[in-house]
Amino acid sequence: GAGVSQSPSNKVTEKGKDVELRCDPISGHTALYWYRQSLGQGLEFLIYFQGNSAPDKSGLPSDRFSAERTGGSVSTLTIQRTQQEDSAVYLCASSLETGNQPQHFGDGTRLSIL
Amino acid sequence: SQELEQSPQSLIVQEGKNLTINCTSSKTLYGLYWYKQKYGEGLIFLMMLQKGGEEKSHEKITAKLDEKKQQSSLHITASQPSHAGIYLCGAQYNFNKFYFGSGTKLNVKP
Repeated sequence: GAGVSQSPSNKVTEKGKDVELRCDPISGHTALYWYRQSLGQGLEFLIYFQGNSAPDKSGLPSDRFSAERTGGSVSTLTIQRTQQEDSAVYLCASSLETGNQPQHFGDGTRLSIL
Repeated sequence: SQELEQSPQSLIVQEGKNLTINCTSSKTLYGLYWYKQKYGEGLIFLMMLQKGGEEKSHEKITAKLDEKKQQSSLHITASQPSHAGIYLCGAQYNFNKFYFGSGTKLNVKP
């Protein structure tokens, strides 16, 4: 498809397990962003990639969170030893480049930690 | 985020009525975006404003950015039930950080 694709759309897992979320950006978009949206809350910026590099990882909530992007395309967000407070919708977006280009969002992964 | 304040937090209007949503920044914006989100879905890009005093329209939705580039308003004319959803403003201030407002939940009563 032409849009940002995220998988899985829903994930239910037990506390303490690791999860991996995937984002496939729009073809040709060099910038990729990860956000978290908790129930009833706004968007919390986590990390962004320009190409394969992430200039600033300070938005990640804890060291249990990591993200990578290879080949300038697909990105994965990994949460280790999940906690109940990690339950949220994780949204990915991409744009042609950083610096005042609109971000186009995927439909998100709804993560539920039991 | 504290950088972007949206008001009101929620809004219920009768179909056919006009409405305005505001987004105020604590700092001068580099650029501002408006998005719409429906429950369980991603964000749909509406408009981007970059220049002070800029105004853009799409169908019945108009967005403006003030001259100082610290406040934006989104105006919907003759609202329809299809306009219902959560409207979010977003902005970039520096190279590495992106912020969104907490959103305005709009309900349009038929």
